Amino acid sequence: AQSVTQLGSHVSVSEGALVLLRCNYSSSVPPYLFWYVQYPNQGLQLLLKYTSAATLVKGINGFEAEFKKSETSFHLTKPSAHMSDAAEYFCAVSENQGAQKLVFGQGTRLTINP
Amino acid sequence: DARVTQTPRHKVTEMGQEVTMRCQPILGHNTVFWYRQTMMQGLELLAYFRNRAPLDDSGMPKDRFSAEMPDATLATLKIQPSEPRDSAVYFCASALSGGSYEQYFGPGTRLTVT
Repeated sequence: AQSVTQLGSHVSVSEGALVLLRCNYSSSVPPYLFWYVQYPNQGLQLLLKYTSAATLVKGINGFEAEFKKSETSFHLTKPSAHMSDAAEYFCAVSENQGAQKLVFGQGTRLTINP
Repeated sequence: DARVTQTPRHKVTEMGQEVTMRCQPILGHNTVFWYRQTMMQGLELLAYFRNRAPLDDSGMPKDRFSAEMPDATLATLKIQPSEPRDSAVYFCASALSGGSYEQYFGPGTRLTVT
């Protein structure tokens, strides 16, 4: 069965610093991978997705993620953190390509220090 | 722009009462998911529908929870009787089958059972 592990339940960076949120997945089939962001008291919003095209995926708000099959990773990065990036981030893997179910990681809370 | 809507946004009820949460998926989306989010368990998939038919409700406590889609524009999640352990945020998400598998989330219903 597919699974997702997000390393670090809480990450804190300074404004302007690099953001790196880690995600490793387990999948028996070529996966579809997603990053979602959740701001306080809101639903999840799609940041970006990997669907077997380019391995480097660019998303909204300056975020990008790289699919590395050899490392079974899909880490999320942003070169320069902004205060508005403070939120919870979820990595997800499609359970299989037909069912469209997503398996979510436990989430990483990103804090930005001024 | 097209969004998933959920009502009510907040619900406080006493143990033993019936709770009904409603979701309007994005027009044209034929797949609807119900999730529950808690601090302890994170995001859990409760049930999902395609073309109004239930495909998987294995994540839902069968004795007290029920989910339906009376029509293509309305999904409901009912809890009867409610218990304090049901306190959580319940999210609805919709997707288009055959698309690129991303799910679009509503703002959630925050349920408190006292």
